[in-house]
Amino acid sequence: GAGVSQSPRYKVAKRGQDVALRCDPISGHVSLFWYQQALGQGPEFLTYFQNEAQLDKSGLPSDRFFAERPEGSVSTLKIQRTQKEDSAVYLCASSPGTVSSYNEQFFGPGTRLTVL
Amino acid sequence: KQEVTQIPAALSVPEGENLVLNCSFTDSAIYNLQWFRQDPGKGLTSLLLIQSSQREQTSGRLNASLDKSSGRSTLYIAASQPGDSATYLCAVIEDSSYKLIFGSGTRLLVRP
Repeated sequence: GAGVSQSPRYKVAKRGQDVALRCDPISGHVSLFWYQQALGQGPEFLTYFQNEAQLDKSGLPSDRFFAERPEGSVSTLKIQRTQKEDSAVYLCASSPGTVSSYNEQFFGPGTRLTVL
Repeated sequence: KQEVTQIPAALSVPEGENLVLNCSFTDSAIYNLQWFRQDPGKGLTSLLLIQSSQREQTSGRLNASLDKSSGRSTLYIAASQPGDSATYLCAVIEDSSYKLIFGSGTRLLVRP
């Protein structure tokens, strides 16, 4: 596709449910990032992949959050036993190169997660 | 720890006004600074990227400046239009990093 796509665009979960959020990066992009954006705030870094390798997961808020990119393309962010504080917009971004020299990050539309 | 602050948090102006959005950051060791636009329910659209060695970038009616030593950037929007209504986010990348560190944004409303 022409840009980064994310699905679903909206997700409502009951507290305690597991959810999976999908990101399709721009074809051929090596780097993939996940960010979390709480209401009224700027996005905050969660994790970074270079191809299939998860090189940085320092921003994941708890061990209930898990991300993978098994074939170096599509990525899934999984949240187990969702809590109300997990309600946010989850943004995915991809970048054409590695991060040894900065390449612009292109963002998807995000998935708005609401935990009831 | 790098912190990015944007002032004002919200701004409402009549169409045609020139306006300035402000961004400040606490650690001047940045690789670059980027301004984004976010429309409701949409992702982020990059507007301007300023490398740390640059002082400003221009695109159409937008001009962004960077004063790295004082930890400040401004986004100037000339002759504002209702279509400019959106949230504007400022973000920095620190030296030897790849994580975008964002401010909380300025919500702009341009009234017809």
